[in-house]
Amino acid sequence: GQQVMQIPQYQHVQEGEDFTTYCNSSTTLSNIQWYKQRPGGHPVFLIQLVKSGEVKKQKRLTFQFGEAKKNSSLHITATQTTDVGTYFCAGQATRGSTLGRLYFGRGTQLTVWP
Amino acid sequence: DTAVSQTPKYLVTQMGNDKSIKCEQNLGHDTMYWYKQDSKKFLKIMFSYNNKELIINETVPNRFSPKSPDKAHLNLHINSLELGDSAVYFCASSQAGTPGGSPLHFGNGTRLTVT
Repeated sequence: GQQVMQIPQYQHVQEGEDFTTYCNSSTTLSNIQWYKQRPGGHPVFLIQLVKSGEVKKQKRLTFQFGEAKKNSSLHITATQTTDVGTYFCAGQATRGSTLGRLYFGRGTQLTVWP
Repeated sequence: DTAVSQTPKYLVTQMGNDKSIKCEQNLGHDTMYWYKQDSKKFLKIMFSYNNKELIINETVPNRFSPKSPDKAHLNLHINSLELGDSAVYFCASSQAGTPGGSPLHFGNGTRLTVT
């Protein structure tokens, strides 16, 4: 069945270091979304990528969607303690997907040491 | 102006009890979901309703019964609670049919602890 794999599961960085999380799908995706969940909070939508090879930036965050629309990455430059949380990717399949269904990766839990 | 609100925020109960969680959204979305998040942060979809119609029903025990009285509300009733039901339950909503996909808006979650 449809799967979205996300690595790493955990990442610990020193403040100021960069961070990247990767997602891979077994099938071509219609779009991919990224969410951030702060400790004790709920997932919050960050961004959506739709086009092949698309790159979007939000301040220190850079999101990429692969040319084959099967993989995506989130890169944070010069992490800050406010970046702490769990980052999820969620892909929507192009075929056989139930209306509006997203397939979530398992998330990457980011810890930033001051 | 809470977009997706769910109650209660915390729920502590004993094994064997029956409990309900309520969810309401004021975004005008037509699709609502229940997700279960375990201690390892994995988000697992349980149910999805589109315009009050059940469209996603994952492999969830029959003890879990969702109910959508209208497209702005989706409740979750759990019978005969078990220890393994302890988790955070998130309600979410989205607008189906949005070109390119529609992001999910999550509620604040209900932390269920079964003792």
